[in-house]
Amino acid sequence: QSVLTQPPSASGTPGQRVTVSCSASSPILATGSIIWYQQFPGAAPKLLIYDENQRPSGVPDRFSGFKSGSSASLAISGLQSEDEGVYFCAVWHGSLDGVVFGGGTRLTVL
Amino acid sequence: QAQLVQSGAEVKEPGASVTISCGASGYTFIGYTIHWVRQAPGQSPEWMGWINPGNVNTQYSQKFQDRLTITSDTLARKVYMKLTSLRSEDRAIYYCARGQYGWAFDVWGQGTTVSVSS
Repeated sequence: QSVLTQPPSASGTPGQRVTVSCSASSPILATGSIIWYQQFPGAAPKLLIYDENQRPSGVPDRFSGFKSGSSASLAISGLQSEDEGVYFCAVWHGSLDGVVFGGGTRLTVL
Repeated sequence: QAQLVQSGAEVKEPGASVTISCGASGYTFIGYTIHWVRQAPGQSPEWMGWINPGNVNTQYSQKFQDRLTITSDTLARKVYMKLTSLRSEDRAIYYCARGQYGWAFDVWGQGTTVSVSS
């Protein structure tokens, strides 16, 4: 059981804006470093967002991260079929044993 | 560009040990930490530990503290992860990943599948 809770699934149609949430029962998200990964079947996770809302070079600006209190969200605008995959939030906090991953949200593009 | 290449799949019996290598190229090896993350089938990733090849400092998850050893070889530009006393629950894909922006992992190896079966 992860300290981070994500909905198991999400969906949207092409062009739509969808959000994936990540919540925690403790205040770790309020002060921790929030990270988002995208994973396709048979592949390693790919870094999408770090430090809550920073994108590494090469990640489209369709992907954005934001935080509100004890929850964080990943927003994907202009949804595309190739966005279909599993999205994991992760957090590092000094009170945790290293970095902790959420359970993942499977995104389906309808 | 930066790349991490891992050794091949392993099949081990319960109680055995496994060592996986992770070769780095395309960047300054001693400038970044290397983390090990595993992912059991259908599960989310699980962080195991890291090493700083620059000073060989390591940090391990408490869960693996007694069974995990991470080492590095600067000349070979390789990091090694050894997990001992394997059990069925250790069946997973093991990834090495480069630490960047703090605790984010921006470059990942292709993964090494470890099977544990008698």
